Formats: sequence, structure tokens, C-alpha cells
Amino acid sequence: DAGVIQSPRHEVTEMGQEVTLRCKPISGHDYLFWYRQTMMRGLELLIYFNNNVPIDDSGMPEDRFSAKMPNASFSTLKIQPSEPRDSAVYFCASSLEEGLLQETQYFGPGTRLLVL
Amino acid sequence: QKEVEQNSGPLSVPEGAIASLNCTYSDRGSQSFFWYRQYSGKSPELIMSIYSNGDKEDGRFTAQLNKASQYVSLLIRDSQPSDSATYLCAVKRFQGAQKLVFGQGTRLTINP
Repeated sequence: DAGVIQSPRHEVTEMGQEVTLRCKPISGHDYLFWYRQTMMRGLELLIYFNNNVPIDDSGMPEDRFSAKMPNASFSTLKIQPSEPRDSAVYFCASSLEEGLLQETQYFGPGTRLLVL
Repeated sequence: QKEVEQNSGPLSVPEGAIASLNCTYSDRGSQSFFWYRQYSGKSPELIMSIYSNGDKEDGRFTAQLNKASQYVSLLIRDSQPSDSATYLCAVKRFQGAQKLVFGQGTRLTINP
């Protein structure tokens, strides 16, 4: 399997622009997670989906952030409008529920976002 | 108080020695505990998981859990320069939950 795929790998944009990050989870995985990592705040969960349905979006910082999962093989995280404080590495991860012990989350390579 | 706390380091250990990484958590009801390794510029990867009090060994890695003290540790025996990375402790609150809470990570450097 190719693993979790994210695009773009790097994104540089100007404040106020819309940014769309993309993720393709591992085939067959039924959970998808979006994380943000910064030096100050570490790795934070933004939102996660189960079978394409958003389950917990309590980590989404504000209304400028939105995430969708239209099908089992694709998810987007959108920031509109973007701000310099959104600069971070955004990771997508996926996992497979196995009984009560859905454990290993497989992370994608991340998208490094810089908002000027 | 942070939910999951780690010493950010850097922790410097000579090659061949034992590296000891520590993590405390605040939610006494937490059930599952994980150690992820993250090389600079790369994504986190799971190296150990532990669910019961005591030790769990996998090769050169040993995870230790003490729920009474709300403490998790990772020991790396015979440390190698390739072990130099940031180690993230993660906690899952209850069985069946999907949400992981990560610590800030400890940066480990193994000196040849």
C-alpha cells in the first residue's frame, strides 16, 4: 500500500487567501484524522471522521477552518481566509478499527503551510 | 496542567547507553498509551503501545506503565545514532475512543 497520501507537500500563500489541503487515507481504513503541528502547541487533533462522517471537530480552531470527507478515499481541510498564525505542518492520519482496539494511526508526510 | 506532559529536552545520551523517556498524564481514566517517534521533517510513526501496568518489551524498546502514578516511560537500550529523534507520548482516554492526546515530545540525541 502507498500509505497515507497528502498534497500539496508545501504551500506558501498570502494572508487572506483560501488554502485547501488534501488527503487520501490508506485503502480500507475507516478513520481519518487531521492534525496540526507547531513548535508552540505541539501536535493537535483538529477533526476526525469515521466512515466519512465527522465525529469530533472540537479541535477546529475557528470557523475559518472546515473539513470534508466526500468519500472513503478523499478528504480536504480548507482554511478561508488564511492567516499567518495558521502556518504549521498539517498531518492527515488514518486507522482501521479492529474490535475495541483501533490503535495504530498511520500518518501521511504532512503539508507544510506558510502564510505570509 | 497539560493533559500529557513530557520533558522537551533535549536529552543527550552516549551511544550504547540506555535512553529513558518519561511522560505523565492527568486523566486517571486513560486506558491506552503510545510512543511515537518523529524524525526531523518527517511524520510520527508508532513504535510502542501499552495498555496494562508493567513492562512491555519489543527489541531494544521497553515501555513501562504505572497507572497509579499516571506515568509512562520508554527505555531504549543500546542507543544508536539512528534513535536520535523526537519521541511523542500519546494517550487515549478510554477503550473504544479514537482521539489521541499527544505530549509536546522529547528531543533525543544519541552521541557517537
